[in-house]
Order: sequence, then C-alpha cells, then structure tokens
Amino acid sequence: SQTIHQWPATLVQPVGSPLSLECTVEGTSNPNLYWYRQAAGRGLQLLFYSVGIGQISSEVPQNLSASRPQDRQFILSSKKLLLSDSGFYLCAWSRLTGGEVHFGNGTRLTVT
Amino acid sequence: GIQVEQSPPDLILQEGANSTLRCNFSDSVNNLQWFHQNPWGQLINLFYIPSGTKQNGRLSATTVATERYSLLYISSSQTTDSGVYFCAVGNTGTASKLTFGTGTRLQVTL
Repeated sequence: SQTIHQWPATLVQPVGSPLSLECTVEGTSNPNLYWYRQAAGRGLQLLFYSVGIGQISSEVPQNLSASRPQDRQFILSSKKLLLSDSGFYLCAWSRLTGGEVHFGNGTRLTVT
Repeated sequence: GIQVEQSPPDLILQEGANSTLRCNFSDSVNNLQWFHQNPWGQLINLFYIPSGTKQNGRLSATTVATERYSLLYISSSQTTDSGVYFCAVGNTGTASKLTFGTGTRLQVTL
C-alpha cells in the first residue's frame, strides 16, 4: 500500500529565516505531488504541483518555491520567511492519471 | 476559477443522528472528492465521486454533475465523525488539481 511521509510535524521559525519542508511517498511510482496550505483552520489552497522530476507548476505567486529532486520526493522551500507564511502545510499525492488525492499529516508552521 | 460552496458551515448533532452535507460548484467538473479533517488536522479521503452514488459503511455520497452539486450523508453519527468535511473539485488533466470549499464543521455530542 502507499504511504506519504511529511516532516517536521511542527515548526517555529523567526522572520527572515529559511524553510525546508520535505515529503516522500512510498509504494507507488510516478505520482503527482502537491503542496497545499491551510490558513485559519479552513479552506485549502493549492500552492504547487508536480507531474514529474524537475517539473514544478506554481498556482499562487508567493514567497515559497518547490522542488522535486527525486520521483517520490517533494520539497517546499523559502529563502526568507514572512509572518504571512504561517499556516498548516500539507503534502499530497495522486496517481499520474489523476484520481484520488491522499494527504500527509501536515506541518504546522509558525513564523514569529 | 471554480467556486465551491458548502452548507451548512457548522452543524451540531447528537450521537445517533443523521445528517446531509451539501456542496455546490459553479462550473462543470470531472473530479470531485470528499475529505474529513479530524481534530488533529489529518485529512482523510472519503470519496472520489465525480458522478453517481457511492457508499462506505455509514457514509454515502451522491454527485449530480449536470446540476453541479454533491451530497454527503452521514448516518447514525458517532463522536469520531466530528471534524471538518471538505468538498473539493477540479478537472482532471494530468494532475488532480483541486479547489476546496470552506468546509462544514461537524460536532457530534453524546
């Protein structure tokens, strides 16, 4: 069966510091990978998605970037965090042809 | 972009009661999914249901794509059903890019 791992679970970072969140998927090949952000406990917003290694599409212009260095690894980064980057970040995957989306447990980021 | 509206925004039920959650969307879609977010933030996929009816235990869902709505039925609710229920829609090309509604927050009490 497929599993998705996301870490860390919680993170507190000062304004201006860098960020790296990592997500890996096991048990499948060539997945579509996604980063979503949830603010204020409601409504998820798609930030980035990837259909293959090195292929990143950005849905919302912002202070963040994403990379996919390996087939089942997806990384969310920032060079300098802003207060507005605080939120709950969730990584997700689906099969290459679309279909069900499955989420990791999320990272709760607080920028102070 | 597609607009997704969910109703009601909040719902309180006594254990054992039944409920219906509604999702309306503004444009044609071929991808519709229901999720449950538990109090710890975990998002669980309940149904992938672009059309038709599906059942899984006490939960069932119906999507009428031509009329742009979907319904999630919860029967004999339990306290573990508490959390937020999200409807998410999209059009499947090479990726399942989903637009989420703002959710229905359900609290099931003893």
